[in-house]
Amino acid sequence: SYELTQPPSVSVSPGQTASITCSGAKLGNKYVCWYQQKPGQSPVLIIYQDTTRPSGIPERFSGSNSGNTATLTISGTQAMDEADYYCQAWDRTTVVFGGGTKLTVL
Amino acid sequence: QVQLVQSGAEVKKPGSSVKVSCKASGGTFTSHAISWVRQAPGQGLEWMGGIIDMFGTTNYAQKFQGRVSITADESTSTAYMELRSLRSGDTAVYYCANGSGGPTYFDYWGQGTLVTVSS
Repeated sequence: SYELTQPPSVSVSPGQTASITCSGAKLGNKYVCWYQQKPGQSPVLIIYQDTTRPSGIPERFSGSNSGNTATLTISGTQAMDEADYYCQAWDRTTVVFGGGTKLTVL
Repeated sequence: QVQLVQSGAEVKKPGSSVKVSCKASGGTFTSHAISWVRQAPGQGLEWMGGIIDMFGTTNYAQKFQGRVSITADESTSTAYMELRSLRSGDTAVYYCANGSGGPTYFDYWGQGTLVTVSS
């Protein structure tokens, strides 16, 4: 079965750029999306189809996908961005989630 | 803007079954793009299965094959997930998720339903 790998944790200072990676075999050939989840809340879609932000998602969130790696980039990270982030892909009628990355803003 | 409202928390005995509902309101319910995702305490998101096309075709994660059933009632805009032969490892928050653009990503999520399996 297809697997997506994310780093368990990433730390960033306020105002700096955070990058969260998601790796999988030939991932660049699939569409990737990203979710943000804060404690006790449901996930929120922040990027879909590799690079598209849904309405209402701040411009500081961006995505890319090439080769075997997709990347979520948060520019000018704010304290409110501290959360768990999950990548997700669609592989032959199956949804696959990455293991999640805890972003700490310190 | 679709809102998904799930049924309330459940406490179940090992070996029993649970059926969780997910009612859509406020927009177009794309029943062919509904999935169920669970999250065990302190763990990540895990896809269980979903309805993946307009014909109502379901696909389930291999881990749950034979134990889970996902259905949808278009007339009431409600989706259901039934999980059978419950064990303690099934204790988790169960989410329904819906994709306005199809089954490949989810822009609408329910509030989650905590299912506790305990003797």
